[in-house]
Amino acid sequence: QVQLQQSGAELAKPGSSVKISCKASGYTFTSYYISWIKQTTGQGLEYIGYINTGSGGTNYNEKFKGKATLTVDKSSSTAFMQLSSLTPDDSAVYYCARGGADFDYWGQGVMVTVSS
Amino acid sequence: DVLMTQTPVSLPVSLGGQVSISCRSSQSLVHSDGNTYLHWYLQKPGQSPQLLIYRVSNRFSGVPDRFSGSGSGTDFTLKISRVEPEDLGVYYCLQSTHFPWTFGGGTKLELK
Repeated sequence: QVQLQQSGAELAKPGSSVKISCKASGYTFTSYYISWIKQTTGQGLEYIGYINTGSGGTNYNEKFKGKATLTVDKSSSTAFMQLSSLTPDDSAVYYCARGGADFDYWGQGVMVTVSS
Repeated sequence: DVLMTQTPVSLPVSLGGQVSISCRSSQSLVHSDGNTYLHWYLQKPGQSPQLLIYRVSNRFSGVPDRFSGSGSGTDFTLKISRVEPEDLGVYYCLQSTHFPWTFGGGTKLELK
């Protein structure tokens, strides 16, 4: 069965970076894009962008350019998102999801907390 | 960005009842390829969102036929008939016609 297993919760200091992972199983990894979505209580669900898991090509929501960097490791069927220059506004749950436009399977989410 | 407006924000329901959730977009969601990329998700408490309906009216695998989607252009509706306890949670619409994709603010379906 299709599964997206994300890494564990992160506690980070302002100004630092975190890299979260999303390991796919149960399907051919390079046949589907991976998207990333941010969820906060205040802003709801926000789309960050997607990565073409075959070519590594990316498309970012303008709002997250410079904040998020999406990469893949095809050998391990894993997608990554690095968040840089963290501020308290980056505190959220981050999901990976299969697909570039409609998301049929989601990871369990990673809670990122930015606090000094 | 396309603004997605969902109403109502909160929707009390009795088990076995029927409800409708509205999702309106600030511009037409008809893509140049002729498709309309409007989807519906349910997020149950403590869980990730799960796909219910894709491209307006297509039920995702395993989704019961109690769920139906309709609409066109800028105006879309999700109907749930014979509401069951497992249907409770927050419903979101998503448009993926115009990048960046955007979500509605959510509708919380809860028991009366």
